[in-house]
Amino acid sequence: SQQGEEDPQALSIQEGENATMNCSYKTSINNLQWYRQNSGRGLVHLILIRSNEREKHSGRLRVTLDTSKKSSSLLITASRAADTASYFCATSLLYNNNDMRFGAGTRLTVKP
Amino acid sequence: DAGVTQSPTHLIKTRGQQVTLRCSPKSGHDTVSWYQQALGQGPQFIFQYYEEEERQRGNFPDRFSGHQFPNYSSELNVNALLLGDSALYLCASSPGPSGVSGELFFGEGSRLTVL
Repeated sequence: SQQGEEDPQALSIQEGENATMNCSYKTSINNLQWYRQNSGRGLVHLILIRSNEREKHSGRLRVTLDTSKKSSSLLITASRAADTASYFCATSLLYNNNDMRFGAGTRLTVKP
Repeated sequence: DAGVTQSPTHLIKTRGQQVTLRCSPKSGHDTVSWYQQALGQGPQFIFQYYEEEERQRGNFPDRFSGHQFPNYSSELNVNALLLGDSALYLCASSPGPSGVSGELFFGEGSRLTVL
């Protein structure tokens, strides 16, 4: 079963705009990660935030984590057409770090 | 430095047949996890191999089995194929079962179509 649920399921924006995707999960976690997938290919790791962290930045990416609400958000600033992809959150469970669960993903389209 | 490699990239089988998918982990990684991704869905955890043993298993039937070799490469076997087994099968490797950072490195996947 999937642990995370991304919202929205699909997002379409213009180049230069910011894109925000949200993830909610159900059980306590060790960490939460965001991955990107281009058109049915392999997933690429973007960023990891640990359960004791609240915010993390990497280039144009900003991730927040609210463990009290069991939610996370991924912000992509100044989006580019090349950012068009599916984005997944994945959670590593508190008592079972070997089992990483993915959500259903947000499909982002950035129009040039 | 080669990343995670999977073979074959595409294959077509018929119901009832058996399939074997292969994965070579990233250099320096000793743990391999397998995921099934149906069209439009997120990856679903099948199982994880470390030290040639299955360490963790997701909610998949016994028709799904695997193996890890001494060189850390791995195989996923699916018996008695069903139409619903059609999916992209992803292999991911990490340095240790929990990983130093928790990050998984994915291959490009094997797309299985069952007719």
